[in-house]
Amino acid sequence: AQSVTQLGSHVSVSEGALVLLRCNYSSSVPPYLFWYVQYPNQGLQLLLKYTSAATLVKGINGFEAEFKKSETSFHLTKPSAHMSDAAEYFCAVSPNTGNQFYFGTGTSLTVIP
Amino acid sequence: DAGVIQSPRHEVTEMGQEVTLRCKPISGHDYLFWYRQTMMRGLELLIYFNNNVPIDDSGMPEDRFSAKMPNASFSTLKIQPSEPRDSAVYFCASSAYGTGRGNTEAFFGQGTRLTVV
Repeated sequence: AQSVTQLGSHVSVSEGALVLLRCNYSSSVPPYLFWYVQYPNQGLQLLLKYTSAATLVKGINGFEAEFKKSETSFHLTKPSAHMSDAAEYFCAVSPNTGNQFYFGTGTSLTVIP
Repeated sequence: DAGVIQSPRHEVTEMGQEVTLRCKPISGHDYLFWYRQTMMRGLELLIYFNNNVPIDDSGMPEDRFSAKMPNASFSTLKIQPSEPRDSAVYFCASSAYGTGRGNTEAFFGQGTRLTVV
């Protein structure tokens, strides 16, 4: 069965500091992986996705994530946090032969001025 | 494309009333998903359709919940009768099956915030 684990339901960083949000997946074969962002009272918006091409994936708003098969991880990073990055972030996995999306429990990012 | 369109954005209803949530997926997408989001349970998949056919409804909480997709451009999620514990944000999402392996990303609507009093 596919699943994702997001370590840390709440992360706080200072403005300008590195953002690191962790995601580990369980899958017998490398799946498709996604990071979504949800701003208050809005739907989920795709930040970036991994679909078996380059292992370092660049997304919108300066975010990037690296697929590491050996660690079954897909952590999300941004070199310098901005106040506008405060939101809920979801990691998701879709099996490479399946039709569903499995979401993590989300990580709430707070940016401290 | 206008994206996934959900209506209404907000719904307040009394316990026992019927509630119908509506979704228009992105044109050309052959998968449609209904999710429920609450603080306690996070994002839960309720049901999903492929080419208008329900594939997996194991996430539907009770018989009070039903979903239909009469055509490729419209789906409904109905709760009858509604209860206060159904209060949540309900999201509809659609996706297309990729030419490689598996689905491309899911595109989400803005959600319907349901409050049952």
